[in-house]
Amino acid sequence: DVKVTQSSRYLVKRTGEKVFLECVQDMDHENMFWYRQDPGLGLRLIYFSYDVKMKEKGDIPEGYSVSREKKERFSLILESASTNQTSMYLCATIGGSDTQYFGPGTRLTVL
Amino acid sequence: GEDVEQSLFLSVREGDSSVINCTYTDSSSTYLYWYKQEPGAGLQLLTYIFSNMDMKQDQRLTVLLNKKDKHLSLRIADTQTGDSAIYFCAEIPPGTYKYIFGTGTRLKVLA
Repeated sequence: DVKVTQSSRYLVKRTGEKVFLECVQDMDHENMFWYRQDPGLGLRLIYFSYDVKMKEKGDIPEGYSVSREKKERFSLILESASTNQTSMYLCATIGGSDTQYFGPGTRLTVL
Repeated sequence: GEDVEQSLFLSVREGDSSVINCTYTDSSSTYLYWYKQEPGAGLQLLTYIFSNMDMKQDQRLTVLLNKKDKHLSLRIADTQTGDSAIYFCAEIPPGTYKYIFGTGTRLKVLA
C-alpha cells in the first residue's frame, strides 16, 4: 500500500511566521502535489513537483514556495503566514492509472 | 467551462441507494475518479473508470459514465452510516498531471 505521511495533523501559527509543512511518501513516486482545501472551493493546486528539484506552479502559488531535495519528501513553505492561509493542506502523489494517493492532511490555523 | 460540477449536499436514509452526480469538463480525459473524504482526513480513492467504459461495478459501488454529456455518477447501494462523507469526482486531462476536482458532495446518511 502507498503511504503518504504529513508531519502534523494540526498546526497553529502566528501571522508573519515562517511555516514548513512536510510530506513524505514511501513508493518512489516521481510526482508530488500540494493542495489546499477550503469549504465550498474544493481542492486547489498550489504546487507540484515531477522530479527532485523540479517544481511547477499550480493554480494558487502566491504566498507559497516548495522544496524537493529528495524524491520521497516534498515540503510546502509559507514564507510569512497570513490569516487567509488558514486552511486544510493536503499532499498527494501519483501512482498507477494516474491515481492520486493523499496524505491525512494538515489543518493549519494562522492567528 | 473549467469547473467540474457537483451538487453540494445529498441526504439519504440508511439502506437506500445514493446517487452522486458529476459533470466534468474535458471529454478527452482518460480516467475519471471518485474519492471519499471522511471528517478530518485526507482523500481516499474509491474507484475510477477508464474513459472507454460505460459502467464499472465494485461491490456496492457502481460508476456510470456518459461521455457524450460528460456526466459521471456514483451509485452506492444499501447506504450505511459509515458512508457519510464528502465525495469528490476528479478528472485528469491528457498530457497533464493536474487533476481537476469537483467541489465535493456531502453525503449524510440518516439512521
